[in-house]
Amino acid sequence: DARVTQTPRDKVTEMGQEVTMRCQPILGHNTVFWYRQTMMQGLELLAYFRNRAPLDDSGMPKDRFSAEMPDATLATLKIQPSEPRDSAVYFCASGLEGTYYGYTFGSGTRLTVV
Amino acid sequence: TQLLEQSPQFLSIQEGENLTVYCNSSSVFSSLQWYRQEPGEGPVLLVTVVTGGEVKKLKRLTFQFGDARKDSSLHITAAQPGDTGLYLCAGARTSGTYKYIFGTGTRLKVLA
Repeated sequence: DARVTQTPRDKVTEMGQEVTMRCQPILGHNTVFWYRQTMMQGLELLAYFRNRAPLDDSGMPKDRFSAEMPDATLATLKIQPSEPRDSAVYFCASGLEGTYYGYTFGSGTRLTVV
Repeated sequence: TQLLEQSPQFLSIQEGENLTVYCNSSSVFSSLQWYRQEPGEGPVLLVTVVTGGEVKKLKRLTFQFGDARKDSSLHITAAQPGDTGLYLCAGARTSGTYKYIFGTGTRLKVLA
């Protein structure tokens, strides 16, 4: 089965440190999404790429978050500097636009900022 | 402001019982999806509905999209412990867009 791979699975870091999360989307998918999940807010859309171009990052705090797709096999989400309120599970998902097959989610990166 | 409200938030039932989960909005959606998420994993797509009034069945699960495409329901018949999880609806507001906004979720526990 094709899957979306996210690394690391868990990350504990100190406040102020840089955090980079990586995602390998499914080969052939042309859309990539970053979501953040917390108990209070649920799943929030942070960024949305189509054919590696950023289409919407309005859900992302621009001063500290950045999302990129350096190539079709890698998407990154970076937080610099990290803050305790960034603690959450971050999910990457990929999909094929123009179909209703839905997204395939990765298993997430659980980030804890202390 | 949460565009998609799900109810109930939590549901604990006995094996064999039936249940319905609701997903409501004041906005019209071009398509709506249902996902199930288990602890430690990402959501997994169950179904996509695109036509107002559409009904889809997946074994013991029945999904319905409201006529006005503002709401949806998920009905589970004879629930089993394996149905335990977080159920999420997600809607796309514009036709042709692939940007889905997720609902607040319903956490279901089925007791053996």
